[in-house]
Amino acid sequence: EVQLVESGGGLVQPGGSLRLSCAASGFTLSSYWMHWVRQTPGKGLLWVARIKTDGTTTGYADSVKGRFTISRDNAKNTLFLQMDSLRVEDTAVYYCGRGGGEFLEWGPFDLWGQGTMVTVSS
Amino acid sequence: SSELTQDPAVSVALGQTVRITCQGDSLRMYYASWYQQKPGQAPVFVIYGGNIRPSGVPDRFSDSSSGNTASLTITGAQAEDEADYYCCSRDSTGNHYVFGAGTKVTVL
Repeated sequence: EVQLVESGGGLVQPGGSLRLSCAASGFTLSSYWMHWVRQTPGKGLLWVARIKTDGTTTGYADSVKGRFTISRDNAKNTLFLQMDSLRVEDTAVYYCGRGGGEFLEWGPFDLWGQGTMVTVSS
Repeated sequence: SSELTQDPAVSVALGQTVRITCQGDSLRMYYASWYQQKPGQAPVFVIYGGNIRPSGVPDRFSDSSSGNTASLTITGAQAEDEADYYCCSRDSTGNHYVFGAGTKVTVL
């Protein structure tokens, strides 16, 4: 079955760190751009970060740049999001999403995980 | 504030047609993609760039674009189409994705 499964969410204090993982199955992770998208409870979607097929290119939303790091381990079919200096406003459900193939840099998110909840609170 | 503007809510009678719009300057240059989200579930990709639909998405969903406006049309809306719909595209810098705030579709 083609799917993405996130893990690693939880409760963390402001200023703390958390590392999210996204396990891919049923397809070859290395063939796709990958993304993280978050959703504040009851609110809309916000694109967070993207990474190229081979990990050589990344991009971030302004609100997380310098604090979050996206990475991938294609050999283990896993995507990561390292979140440092967390703020209360980072509280959200975090989804990983599959983007386009190597030559479709700005393709749609055609596959989503079920999401993992991150709560930043003291 | 979002660079893509969507109406907060629309309603449609069962079996009728509804169009959901998404406005933004970047849509003059970039394709929009559309996502459906039902309560408690992850978003699902619906359509992109001129009727490119994943398998499993009914052909009653279609998209179009003109100027700064992208549209998602549901022709013959069904009860199961009741959901939030989000548009997405690149922002005005071209370096980031941006989502619209979403449109809640109610099927009467």
